[in-house]
Amino acid sequence: GAGVSQTPSNKVTEKGKYVELRCDPISGHTALYWYRQSLGQGPEFLIYFQGTGAADDSGLPNDRFFAVRPEGSVSTLKIQRTERGDSAVYLCASSLAGPSSPLHFGNGTRLTVT
Amino acid sequence: AQSVAQPEDQVNVAEGNPLTVKCTYSVSGNPYLFWYVQYPNRGLQFLLKYITGDNLVKGSYGFEAEFNKSQTSFHLKKPSALVSDSALYFCAVRGANAGNNRKLIWGLGTSLAVNP
Repeated sequence: GAGVSQTPSNKVTEKGKYVELRCDPISGHTALYWYRQSLGQGPEFLIYFQGTGAADDSGLPNDRFFAVRPEGSVSTLKIQRTERGDSAVYLCASSLAGPSSPLHFGNGTRLTVT
Repeated sequence: AQSVAQPEDQVNVAEGNPLTVKCTYSVSGNPYLFWYVQYPNRGLQFLLKYITGDNLVKGSYGFEAEFNKSQTSFHLKKPSALVSDSALYFCAVRGANAGNNRKLIWGLGTSLAVNP
């Protein structure tokens, strides 16, 4: 079946611009996560949705970052006034409910802020 | 505090030899343990998990991992390494009593290089 889909795969933007990154999870997965990963590093947690609501947004670095999941399926990560330090690969993952369920990741969106 | 340690930044093995990638953890209560692999320019891919029961769990691509409660370890193993196994490997843990806290705790990753 289809896996987690993230678009675009690459995004280059100028400092100060606004970007949106999209994640289409596996059908039926109620949990959705956003992570950020820098080269050679592990995933850095940003936000977790259970259904439509953000159950844990403690990883969002500041108020320039915001994410929505209005219908409990597709999610959009929004970054305002981008900074060069925002450059990273943004990973989305989805899973079934329950703490024993593994996460299934998309291939990520590589964001480069120039 | 919950934590995961992968003590080796890099592991080098010859093709055909057994490989081990180490992981130790600290978590309140019983752990749910996971291994993920990341190939270059790709997202993380689930390999295997330990939930309960048999301490030896088998996963994708011939990998297995052994849960050791007394040593709080969950080392990843494969009897015979392939060059195509070269990738970045991540261990992750979540407490079984996490309740609404679904956040996985991740290790920093181990780069595995299998030499032909």
